[in-house]
Amino acid sequence: EADIYQTPRYLVIGTGKKITLECSQTMGHDKMYWYQQDPGMELHLIHYSYGVNSTEKGDLSSESTVSRIRTEHFPLTLESARPSHTSQYLCASSEYIQGDGYTFGSGTRLTVV
Amino acid sequence: AQSVTQLGSHVSVSEGALVLLRCNYSSSVPPYLFWYVQYPNQGLQLLLKYTTGATLVKGINGFEAEFKKSETSFHLTKPSAHMSDAAEYFCAVTSNFGNEKLTFGTGTRLTIIP
Repeated sequence: EADIYQTPRYLVIGTGKKITLECSQTMGHDKMYWYQQDPGMELHLIHYSYGVNSTEKGDLSSESTVSRIRTEHFPLTLESARPSHTSQYLCASSEYIQGDGYTFGSGTRLTVV
Repeated sequence: AQSVTQLGSHVSVSEGALVLLRCNYSSSVPPYLFWYVQYPNQGLQLLLKYTTGATLVKGINGFEAEFKKSETSFHLTKPSAHMSDAAEYFCAVTSNFGNEKLTFGTGTRLTIIP
């Protein structure tokens, strides 16, 4: 079944640690996205990619980085986690044609203590 | 540039009552419009979408929405609310122009009163 997977679902980590949030999709989508969702619900686009070796920063400035070495894989890395990074992170993907919208993963809830 | 306005960050309705969640958009080109639902600790799930054709679109879980170009609106409705409808709902807009991304509204939290 075509889907998009995020791991881990929940992560509690200490300040200063390096973390990588994983996102993989089996649909062959060229476009992938990372959103940060604050407790007030609003979604903020922090990174996106339109294909292998293509990454762009989103609307919200983020200290995280991303890579796109394979079509199906779009990991997000925080080199040094801080309490301000505590949030829900959502990964999504889409076809090149806009009409299908985005398919979202289940999210990673990150808590930095 | 595109934008979405969702009126009412919190909406409460009684079980069995009509659900109406409002969404207005701004777009300089023909829009594609979407409603997503998010349950606690989950990602967003597509409820329904409008791209072209019939302006009244039906989605999952008994929801529907009507695209009204003259009012630049895409309100979400359900005739009879169920407890399981309690969730967060996001309206979004994009277009078929270039690499336009989805622009999301700020969301509406729907509470169902027993």
